[in-house]
Amino acid sequence: EAQVTQNPRYLITVTGKKLTVTCSQNMNHEYMSWYRQDPGLGLRQIYYSMNVEVTDKGDVPEGYKVSRKEKRNFPLILESPSPNQTSLYFCASSFWDRDTGELFFGEGSRLTVL
Amino acid sequence: LAKTTQPISMDSYEGQEVNITCSHNNIATNDYITWYQQFPSQGPRFIIQGYKTKVTNEVASLFIPADRKSSTLSLPRVSLSDTAVYYCLVGDIGDMRFGAGTRLTVKP
Repeated sequence: EAQVTQNPRYLITVTGKKLTVTCSQNMNHEYMSWYRQDPGLGLRQIYYSMNVEVTDKGDVPEGYKVSRKEKRNFPLILESPSPNQTSLYFCASSFWDRDTGELFFGEGSRLTVL
Repeated sequence: LAKTTQPISMDSYEGQEVNITCSHNNIATNDYITWYQQFPSQGPRFIIQGYKTKVTNEVASLFIPADRKSSTLSLPRVSLSDTAVYYCLVGDIGDMRFGAGTRLTVKP
């Protein structure tokens, strides 16, 4: 089954404790991205990657890191989480093809930073 | 980046046709228009995409006028399960920006 898998789905952590949210896709997509969703703000893009070893900042990259060492994986790293990073996070992937342009989203990871 | 403007919310009743209009006055020549649907605590799901004129699939139609400065998502005969947030996006895959979307509530 074609899917984007995120882990963990739920996490409660404390300020300053490094954490990684994993994202994996099995569709051989070149493009992957991370979004955060907060009430009233819609989805805001954190980072995106157009292919292996190619990453770029989205609209809200502060406090986050990403890496793209393999095509299928795009982990989101919070080196020193803070309470303002409490949010619902979504990973997405797509073929880099203008004619289809369909983003496939994971089920989301709800993060709470105390 | 082309900015989009949508109504914040809409109400409808089961069985009615719903039209959600999105304004994108600064759309670029190469930009496509894409609509997504999102249910609470789930990731958005692709509905339809178009460049100009009309596109139709099994769940919706997308109407795009000649000037492409707006687009209208049409949902035929909505049901309670169509209650969701609908997002209009313009741009290619690297420029996708989700706004606050339109919250559609379908009532019995």
